[in-house]
Amino acid sequence: SQQGEEDPQALSIQEGENATMNCSYKTSINNLQWYRQNSGRGLVHLILIRSNEREKHSGRLRVTLDTSKKSSSLLITASRAADTASYFCATDGYGQNFVFGPGTRLSVLP
Amino acid sequence: NAGVTQTPKFRVLKTGQSMTLLCAQDMNHEYMYWYRQDPGMGLRLIHYSVGEGTTAKGEVPDGYNVSRLKKQNFLLGLESAAPSQTSVYFCASTSGLAGAQEETQYFGPGTRLLVL
Repeated sequence: SQQGEEDPQALSIQEGENATMNCSYKTSINNLQWYRQNSGRGLVHLILIRSNEREKHSGRLRVTLDTSKKSSSLLITASRAADTASYFCATDGYGQNFVFGPGTRLSVLP
Repeated sequence: NAGVTQTPKFRVLKTGQSMTLLCAQDMNHEYMYWYRQDPGMGLRLIHYSVGEGTTAKGEVPDGYNVSRLKKQNFLLGLESAAPSQTSVYFCASTSGLAGAQEETQYFGPGTRLLVL
């Protein structure tokens, strides 16, 4: 069973708009990570947020974590066409593992 | 510094054939992982290794075997390929210094496998 699940499955916005995607998970975690995958490529790490953190920023990215609701959100501000990609959240799995959600496909239209 | 590399990039197999996918990393990472990615399913962990000479099963290990004879290499084997193994396979690694789940995973570019 998947630990993390992103919502929405797909999102289409205009360049310059903000994009928000969410991740919900089932069991308690130590940290949560967000990754980006461009079409046909491997995943690239974006940001890690620990369970004792509520918000974290990196450039145009803002991640929040609400452990009481077991959810996280990734906000991309002032989106660009180059942000078109799939975005995945990853949470602690068993042992030295990560569990990835099915991802959100973001399309940024010029 | 190439990071994580995978060979081959693409392969077509017939049902019942065998093959080995090679993952190599030049970052001296302890932990290595093999995932498969199917449409709408995200990434699912097949096998992983926490050091040279060690391997462990992940979420979907059936039909696959792995070996970690050298720290920099992690091999994924399909002994008798089945159409259900048609997928994109990704290798990843972490240093293991801080505890794997505290760290960034570095991914290879993927191997696209088609089993007919």
